[in-house]
Amino acid sequence: NAGVTQTPKFRILKIGQSMTLQCTQDMNHNYMYWYRQDPGMGLKLIYYSVGAGITDKGEVPNGYNVSRSTTEDFPLRLELAAPSQTSVYFCASSYGVDREGGYTFGSGTRLTVV
Amino acid sequence: GQSLEQPSEVTAVEGAIVQINCTYQTSGFYGLSWYQQHDGGAPTFLSYNGLDGLEETGRFSSFLSRSDSYGYLLLQELQMKDSASYFCAVSQGGKLIFGQGTELSVKP
Repeated sequence: NAGVTQTPKFRILKIGQSMTLQCTQDMNHNYMYWYRQDPGMGLKLIYYSVGAGITDKGEVPNGYNVSRSTTEDFPLRLELAAPSQTSVYFCASSYGVDREGGYTFGSGTRLTVV
Repeated sequence: GQSLEQPSEVTAVEGAIVQINCTYQTSGFYGLSWYQQHDGGAPTFLSYNGLDGLEETGRFSSFLSRSDSYGYLLLQELQMKDSASYFCAVSQGGKLIFGQGTELSVKP
């Protein structure tokens, strides 16, 4: 049981490039989330999904896109990367936000835009 | 909108008890969660309070008072490995909103 798997772990992008951060979970969780965390700060919600085919914006969605075609996968797309998107990105999943057990987080993707 | 406030740093000695407070202002509040994050690592779930009162899990306890929009995480018998960042988070409309985090330093 791998939990939540994120790839890649590290990436350096040039300004204007695009990339997709991959996230997959094997716990059959309906809810999936993408957060970013800047140094010394809390986690900011980018996008979330309550099930396959359903996505919604979080606190900081600008510059990102997501899709949820399957229960397992929730990729995050960065278009036209900017230095402000330098951050650590965490994917998470849960059975439901208001239940015991909480979220399970992936190990993160450390992205630098230069 | 929503906002959470928690102290940015707390220092305590090994074996002591420490309390990390969290106050929130939010609409549509469902519950309060706590997460631990060691430097550079993934956040891990510690506890969830859906109702007022105290929840205990080993050395960690968490408390919620909805009338005061306030909660806290209590760590007992502190160990060096408890040095980490601790985040409170409110459940709202299908998602978790996190506070800025409290960095706990445990000294020998």
